[in-house]
Amino acid sequence: QVQLHQSGPGLVKPSQTLSVTCAISGDSVSGNTAAWNWIRQSPSRGLEWLGRTYYRSKWYSDYEPSVQGRITINADTSKNQFSLQLNSVTPEDTAVYYCASSGYFREYLQYWGQGTLVTVSS
Amino acid sequence: QSALTQPASVSGSPGQSITISCTGTSSDVGAYDYVSWYQQHPGQVPKLMIYDVSNRPSGVSYRFSGSKSGNTASLTVSGLQAEDEADYYCCSYTRSKILVFGGGTKLTVL
Repeated sequence: QVQLHQSGPGLVKPSQTLSVTCAISGDSVSGNTAAWNWIRQSPSRGLEWLGRTYYRSKWYSDYEPSVQGRITINADTSKNQFSLQLNSVTPEDTAVYYCASSGYFREYLQYWGQGTLVTVSS
Repeated sequence: QSALTQPASVSGSPGQSITISCTGTSSDVGAYDYVSWYQQHPGQVPKLMIYDVSNRPSGVSYRFSGSKSGNTASLTVSGLQAEDEADYYCCSYTRSKILVFGGGTKLTVL
């Protein structure tokens, strides 16, 4: 059973960088069949998939076009975790951020983190 | 990438069946059999209910079923129970190698 545990600050100032981390147990961040996703949810935007990273002999990342250029998803193999960084945030980025796992030919979000409410405000 | 289209709300009485539609395009729902459905109760984390159009994960009630025709996927909940009242979201893999969600449907059990 995969478990995902999120951590990160709940308040970020406008124009700064939002950062949330997701620690994995029960699987390996560098496993060849897993993918590691970030999703956010706000009342105005509903559920929004942001991007993912995965290892298939080398690291790959896919990002939602609306955040491409502002987003980075990285894996830390030494800590078996992955992280989301979103730059130049505005109040529109206020949301609950979730991490979730999917897989190779398993294009669904099977295991989810507990969610982290991030508020963008000065 | 535009969100998939779902009705904002559906309702039904206990014991009845309801169906929630999820309409996309030939670049997402119509392109692959990679449609999934998630249930979310207030204040809780989304829960996977259906994957690959019609497959149920272990532990999900047989009362939940999924199907697809062309660019539209559907989730049917039969034998409605009070605990089924929740928000439901569809999600599809796309030709752009990303996932896209529907706007969500609030299911009310009358």
